[in-house]
Amino acid sequence: AQTVTQSQPEMSVQEAETVTLSCTYDTSESDYYLFWYKQPPSRQMILVIRQEAYKQQNATENRFSVNFQKAAKSFSLKISDSQLGDAAMYFCAYRGNTGNQFYFGTGTSLTVIP
Amino acid sequence: EPEVTQTPSHQVTQMGQEVILRCVPISNHLYFYWYRQILGQKVEFLVSFYNNEISEKSEIFDDQFSVERPDGSNFTLKIRSTKLEDSAMYFCASSELGTDTQYFGPGTRLTVL
Repeated sequence: AQTVTQSQPEMSVQEAETVTLSCTYDTSESDYYLFWYKQPPSRQMILVIRQEAYKQQNATENRFSVNFQKAAKSFSLKISDSQLGDAAMYFCAYRGNTGNQFYFGTGTSLTVIP
Repeated sequence: EPEVTQTPSHQVTQMGQEVILRCVPISNHLYFYWYRQILGQKVEFLVSFYNNEISEKSEIFDDQFSVERPDGSNFTLKIRSTKLEDSAMYFCASSELGTDTQYFGPGTRLTVL
């Protein structure tokens, strides 16, 4: 079964600074999808960014970008110019090319320090 | 922007009782999912549902669990006889046909006493 590992249970960043959250995964598939979701204290899980494994170009959404290293099975999330509203639990998720289920990491709790 | 909604936000029940958790997926979505997150653990897949039948289910989704789309808008998860270990946050999600992104609801916190 696919596994997703987030090795940082907690991270903190100063407001306006940059932080990188790490995620690694294990799979034997060559085609798959990777996601970062944000879960603020209100609990709604919100999609932050997605990456298709067949695309070499790293996905970017405004202040959020990923560093996708397929050979290393690594998918880190970089948040630039961190804002107080970025404080949340961040989940990395994997979806294979066959089947619809997502596999989640344990999450990283991000604190933004004013 | 359309959102997945879930009711109730918190459900407390006695062990052995039946509970039904309700979800309203995004209206044009055709795939529906349930996940759960036991406190301090990973979000785990339970089941996916398409075209009025289960398309995938995990080992967690045993005979105690069932899902239903009773009408054109609701998607429910029923736990027939709750156990203490069913205490968790239950998330509903939905996705469009032919896409890979799932949209999650805010969750229902189930507490079994």
